[in-house]
Amino acid sequence: AQSVTQPDIHITVSEGASLELRCNYSYGATPYLFWYVQSPGQGLQLLLKYFSGDTLVQGIKGFEAEFKRSQSSFNLRKPSVHWSDAAEYFCAVGEDYGQNFVFGPGTRLSVLP
Amino acid sequence: EAGVAQSPRYKIIEKRQSVAFWCNPISGHATLYWYQQILGQGPKLLIQFQNNGVVDDSQLPKDRFSAERLKGVDSTLKIQPAKLEDSAVYLCASSLFSLRQTFFNSPLHFGNGTRLTVT
Repeated sequence: AQSVTQPDIHITVSEGASLELRCNYSYGATPYLFWYVQSPGQGLQLLLKYFSGDTLVQGIKGFEAEFKRSQSSFNLRKPSVHWSDAAEYFCAVGEDYGQNFVFGPGTRLSVLP
Repeated sequence: EAGVAQSPRYKIIEKRQSVAFWCNPISGHATLYWYQQILGQGPKLLIQFQNNGVVDDSQLPKDRFSAERLKGVDSTLKIQPAKLEDSAVYLCASSLFSLRQTFFNSPLHFGNGTRLTVT
């Protein structure tokens, strides 16, 4: 069974600083990889996704993620964080027909003014 | 387009009582999901419908949880009887995913969830 780990439970950065959130997955083949963001009291919103092609993918709100097969990682990055980015971020992995779509435990991002 | 609608937003019940949640997906979305999100954890899939058929309910505690999606549109999730460990946010999501749309191209659209507290 596939699994997703997000090593950082909570990260705090200053506004304007760069951000990297880590995601590692365990899966036998090339997985479908996703990053979602959840603001307090809200549902999850898709930031970006990857399956094949260019290993650096661009998403909404200025986020990007890089797939590294050798490290089984799909880390999320943003060059300059805004206060409105404070939220919970979830990495997820799935298969071709939606089977075994699994979310990681999440990383909570706090942004200092 | 209108988003995924869920109700109620909050519910407080005592253990052993029953509770029901309602979800109205985005119009035209074939697939509907119910997730349980316990505080501090990622969402866990409870059940996945495609139209009005069940695709995956392997993680649904069937002795107490039930779900239906009549006519392939709205869905209800019921818990009877509730336990303390059922306290969580219950998220509904929908997607276009079907035999004619790949999963990759059918992102999940989530509702705002129902926060259940069992005392």
